[in-house]
Amino acid sequence: QVHLVQSGPEVREPGASVKVSCKTSGYTFTSYGVTWVRQAPGQGLEWIGWINANNGRTNYAQNFQGRVTMTTDTSTSTAYMELRSLRFDDTAVYYCVRDYDYNVDVWDKGTTITVSS
Amino acid sequence: QTVVTQEPSLTVSPGGTVTLTCSSSTGAVTSAYYPNWFQQKPGQAPTSLIYTTVRKQSWTPARFSGSLLGGKAALTLSGAQPEDEADYYCLLLYGGLWVFGGGTKLTVL
Repeated sequence: QVHLVQSGPEVREPGASVKVSCKTSGYTFTSYGVTWVRQAPGQGLEWIGWINANNGRTNYAQNFQGRVTMTTDTSTSTAYMELRSLRFDDTAVYYCVRDYDYNVDVWDKGTTITVSS
Repeated sequence: QTVVTQEPSLTVSPGGTVTLTCSSSTGAVTSAYYPNWFQQKPGQAPTSLIYTTVRKQSWTPARFSGSLLGGKAALTLSGAQPEDEADYYCLLLYGGLWVFGGGTKLTVL
């Protein structure tokens, strides 16, 4: 059974960085990509970017270029997303999602990131 | 900036049929945009319903179907159930970058 399990909630001050992990199981990690999505309180879904777990190639949404880095650790089948220079409007639930062949299918429950002074 | 547009809200009667659409600011949506559709209930993570325009996930109820309709991606719900009340989001691919629609709040009433 496919599972993605993210790290726990985080609170950061403006200007800080945060790194969210997404540990996967139940499938061949390097045969898929991982997409990251966020949802601000009461708002819709926003695509952040994608990483190919096999070769580490990434695509980032323009809104996050220069502030986000996605990586993977194939030895532990874990994906990571680091977001830097946090702002108040980065407060959101961040999701990792399995992604293969244009099928964005299995979602984790999400990680709440709160940016507060 | 590419904008993907969905109806903000729709209402369907129990047992009725409703079609949600997803349009692109760049023009007609085709299968090359690989439309995905997701359902999100309050307090829960989204779940995938449809990918690559028409394909269903193994867990997708048969009453949901995807298509292209009049230059838009479409999600049709035939025989709405009370549990289908939720937010629905489409996702389109633009040259390696995905863009979500703003979502449709579907009420079953």
